Amino acid sequence: AQTVTQSQPEMSVQEAETVTLSCTYDTSENNYYLFWYKQPPSRQMILVIRQEAYKQQNATENRFSVNFQKAAKSFSLKISDSQLGDTAMYFCAFMKPWGAGGTSYGKLTFGQGTILTVHP
Amino acid sequence: AAGVIQSPRHLIKEKRETATLKCYPIPRHDTVYWYQQGPGQDPQFLISFYEKMQSDKGSIPDRFSAQQFSDYHSELNMSSLELGDSALYFCASSHRTGGGNEQYFGPGTRLTVT
Repeated sequence: AQTVTQSQPEMSVQEAETVTLSCTYDTSENNYYLFWYKQPPSRQMILVIRQEAYKQQNATENRFSVNFQKAAKSFSLKISDSQLGDTAMYFCAFMKPWGAGGTSYGKLTFGQGTILTVHP
Repeated sequence: AAGVIQSPRHLIKEKRETATLKCYPIPRHDTVYWYQQGPGQDPQFLISFYEKMQSDKGSIPDRFSAQQFSDYHSELNMSSLELGDSALYFCASSHRTGGGNEQYFGPGTRLTVT
């Protein structure tokens, strides 16, 4: 079974600054996906960014980028130019893709979450 | 763009009652997932369906059942409700056939059991 660990329960950052959220995972799979989801106070789960394990290049989506270290099983999220609207709970998630074989493919396994507060 | 629709958004039930939660996936999405998020917790996978057939099952109590219909909408049926069932229930959808692995979540149904 896969496990996902977010060791930072809470983080804070000043508006316009950069912050990095940490995530580690444990798996024996070679092919998988990693995601970061954002959950603002509205409780909506919003997909921020995804990374495919077989791709060495780190994913980037506007102000959001990841540092994916496959050997270390580490997947951190960097938010640049932080905005007040970035205030939310951030969840790291692991998924075995469809077609990977075995069981438990397609479902997301989440970390415990990190509460990020952006201060003006 | 169309998103995942869940109804109702809020539901209050008493212990031992039954609840039915509905999910309408994004058009052309063929896979539906159900997650349960308790207060202060991360979402936990319950069950998933692909092309109207159950494809994976997680920590779903035997009191719960679900299905996906011919129009791809899904329903989660919860019977003999307990106080511990109070949670936010998310439905998510993806387009598995199209190679899509991203899951897009609905707004959730907040279930309160009193």
